[in-house]
Amino acid sequence: DTVLTQSPALAVSPGERVTISCRASESVSTLMHWYQQKPGQQPTLLIYLASNLESGVPARFSGSGSGTDFTLTIDPVEADDTATYYCQQSWNDPTFGAGTKLELK
Amino acid sequence: EVQLVESGGGLVQPGRSMKLSCAASGFTFNNYDMAWVCQAPKKGLEWVATISYDGSSTYYRDSVKGRFTISRDNAKSTLYLQMDSLRSEDTATYYCARHSGYGGYLDYWGQGVMVTVSS
Repeated sequence: DTVLTQSPALAVSPGERVTISCRASESVSTLMHWYQQKPGQQPTLLIYLASNLESGVPARFSGSGSGTDFTLTIDPVEADDTATYYCQQSWNDPTFGAGTKLELK
Repeated sequence: EVQLVESGGGLVQPGRSMKLSCAASGFTFNNYDMAWVCQAPKKGLEWVATISYDGSSTYYRDSVKGRFTISRDNAKSTLYLQMDSLRSEDTATYYCARHSGYGGYLDYWGQGVMVTVSS
């Protein structure tokens, strides 16, 4: 299985820029996707194929990377962005990262 | 509007069986591969199984192979997960999700259904 390693929990202030990283144990090309999960809710798709913004997702969210290193950026962060963010690869059987919990100061 | 509504969860004893259902609406169900993803309490997401749009191909994570069966009824726009020989470690919220037409990402998710395996 392809293991995805995410950055640990982050705490930022509203208005700041935050980057959340995801490193794959092998190259996944651009088959990397990002989801947001708020407490008590199902995940929602933010970014697909590394850098494509899902319809309806604010342009404050962006994604980049290829191969083994990927980044989700939120700029500027808003209070409503408090959530856990997961990366997922589809190069082979789907695997998810452990999640990065984003808290607002 | 795409909707995925899971049902069938609850409390079940170890070793017993349970069948989850996911009713889909708002899109042409038989055009899409579908998946189940689980999330143990306070834990991350884990892919469980995927079924192709026509049901001809199925894929499972190793820990559920031989115990879980994913299936679909395209006439009813419904996805299923038959879970046999349940273990305490299967305790989780199970989400039904739609695979995108390409790329392997999950573009719509249901609200989830809780399965608790305990004596």
